[in-house]
Amino acid sequence: ETGVTQSPTHLIKTRGQQVTLRCSSQSGHNTVSWYQQALGQGPQFIFQYYREEENGRGNFPPRFSGLQFPNYSSELNVNALELDDSALYLCASSYHRGEQFFGPGTRLTVL
Amino acid sequence: ILNVEQSPQSLHVQEGDSTNFTCSFPSSNFYALHWYRWETAKSPEALFVMTLNGDEKKKGRISATLNTKEGYSYLYIKGSQPEDSATYLCAWISSNTGKLIFGQGTTLQVKP
Repeated sequence: ETGVTQSPTHLIKTRGQQVTLRCSSQSGHNTVSWYQQALGQGPQFIFQYYREEENGRGNFPPRFSGLQFPNYSSELNVNALELDDSALYLCASSYHRGEQFFGPGTRLTVL
Repeated sequence: ILNVEQSPQSLHVQEGDSTNFTCSFPSSNFYALHWYRWETAKSPEALFVMTLNGDEKKKGRISATLNTKEGYSYLYIKGSQPEDSATYLCAWISSNTGKLIFGQGTTLQVKP
């Protein structure tokens, strides 16, 4: 049990809507990374938050945004949803550059 | 473009067979290589964190080697069991960015 939790487990949205995914870090961790895993691919890095500030971003458009809170939990927000945003979204917490511990993911389906 | 590639994409073996997978990554700016095991409906679970050229790590029947100069790592499973069925992911960390770049994974199915 890694202690990293994500909510919701599954979500169905329609094109153009907005979605917020949540991640609760493992105790003692100050860094959260978000990944998108589309079918047949490995997880793709979206961005990372370290001590409440964005600390690196992958090749994702600005409609993907995030937040990290003082308790180091985190949100991923996606605006103007597109069909291609359908994927499994994983978060992982770590102590800075240390080993990352993953949550079980949120499965997002965009219709 | 920084690519991490894994082969094969999928593998079907019989119980008791030994097997191995490959992870290829950029040989420059190496910081670390991670191997993860990901069972369906569960979280990816870290198997190994490898940092030094020539590293060999072992956990039970699973072992891994690392060659940072040529940019590859091998994962070996000795005497595969049905419970080894999972997707095995490798992830490379660049010393420039400190971020994980994943391969697409190797999906292993072990038949009893």
